Amino acid sequence: ELKVEQNPLFLSMQEGKNYTIYCNYSTTSDRLYWYRQDPGKSLESLFVLLSNGAVKQEGRLMASLDTKARLSTLHITAAVHDLSATYFCAVDVNNFNKFYFGSGTKLNVKP
Amino acid sequence: SAVISQKPSRDICQRGTSLTIQCQVDSQVTMMFWYRQQPGQSLTLIATANQGSEATYESGFVIDKFPISRPNLTFSTLTVSNMSPEDSSIYLCSVGWTEAFFGQGTRLTVV
Repeated sequence: ELKVEQNPLFLSMQEGKNYTIYCNYSTTSDRLYWYRQDPGKSLESLFVLLSNGAVKQEGRLMASLDTKARLSTLHITAAVHDLSATYFCAVDVNNFNKFYFGSGTKLNVKP
Repeated sequence: SAVISQKPSRDICQRGTSLTIQCQVDSQVTMMFWYRQQPGQSLTLIATANQGSEATYESGFVIDKFPISRPNLTFSTLTVSNMSPEDSSIYLCSVGWTEAFFGQGTRLTVV
């Protein structure tokens, strides 16, 4: 059975701090997505990682993918309150965007 | 990119009834996916809908409970049958090529 394990589930941090969210998965895949979800909203695509060693950065967020370790990370640099949301990783298992999602990380950045 | 129209956006239904959710895409796509997001939870893949063939269901989901139609390459429906309060969730459709696109979701409350 495919597993996508995301940790931590909850993250409370002060503004200005750095932190990393981890996403481990149990199947062979070289396509991984990160999404943000605000309360009551649909998913917002953050990053699409399509190969081993892929690294993408947007603002205070940086995502990386290690397909050999079956691990992706989402690093937050100098967090700000506006980053408060739930973050999901999603593994594409058939290269046609058939996703298995991680459990999500609810991030709360305290002013 | 793709624009996905999902209807209804929300509904409140009586237990024992059924609701059909529609997903319309502005481009032709081979695969469409249906997900469920229970309150406070992550997204779980229900099934893959292929045009011209039966939908493929994930473990824990059955056709009698979640019948799916895919009459053409731009449209699909998901029916939630014989609803109970446990079916209260957000249901989302998704399509994708090199990038995935999600509908805005249908927020279903069963009373």
